[in-house]
Amino acid sequence: DSGVTQTPKHLITATGQRVTLRCSPRSGDLSVYWYQQSLDQGLQFLIQYYNGEERAKGNILERFSAQQFPDLHSELNLSSLELGDSALYFCASSVASGRTEQYFGPGTRLTVT
Amino acid sequence: GEDVEQSLFLSVREGDSSVINCTYTDSSSTYLYWYKQEPGAGLQLLTYIFSNMDMKQDQRLTVLLNKKDKHLSLRIADTQTGDSAIYFCAESLNDYKLSFGAGTTVTVRA
Repeated sequence: DSGVTQTPKHLITATGQRVTLRCSPRSGDLSVYWYQQSLDQGLQFLIQYYNGEERAKGNILERFSAQQFPDLHSELNLSSLELGDSALYFCASSVASGRTEQYFGPGTRLTVT
Repeated sequence: GEDVEQSLFLSVREGDSSVINCTYTDSSSTYLYWYKQEPGAGLQLLTYIFSNMDMKQDQRLTVLLNKKDKHLSLRIADTQTGDSAIYFCAESLNDYKLSFGAGTTVTVRA
């Protein structure tokens, strides 16, 4: 158990819908990272937050957004969902932004039908 | 650029050593990581090595880093059935994002 929690574990929704994935980092970690794992693209970095502020963006679509709240939990919002958005979404956390021992949560499996 | 490459499959007999290889292209990587993913589970951080080190040992795991060739390997001694999983090599870029390889599926046979 990494100490990072993610909810829900599974999510099934229809195309065009919007969903919110939630992540709670390990106690004491200030940085949260979101990754997408799909069969065709592998593990891709989406976005990072540090202490409530966006720090870095990767291959994140404009239909996707995220935020980190004052209690340091983070949410990833996916809208106008397409079939190709079906994937495992992982959240990871680390103590600080520069120290990159990232600990991963169990993931949320999103299926878009 | 960022491109981490790994072989896709490795089959090993129980009790033998496993060696998983990885090459990376970004010479500015500061940390290199090995993660393990079991079926239906998240990524477990196994070990990491800082770029100024050549070797790191942690119980049954040995990481070797050849900076000149940009080659990283993970050796698992006395491989057990519980070691069957997908192993990802990753490099850290710019201190925030991890760039992952495609993963090596390790199958341990009795």
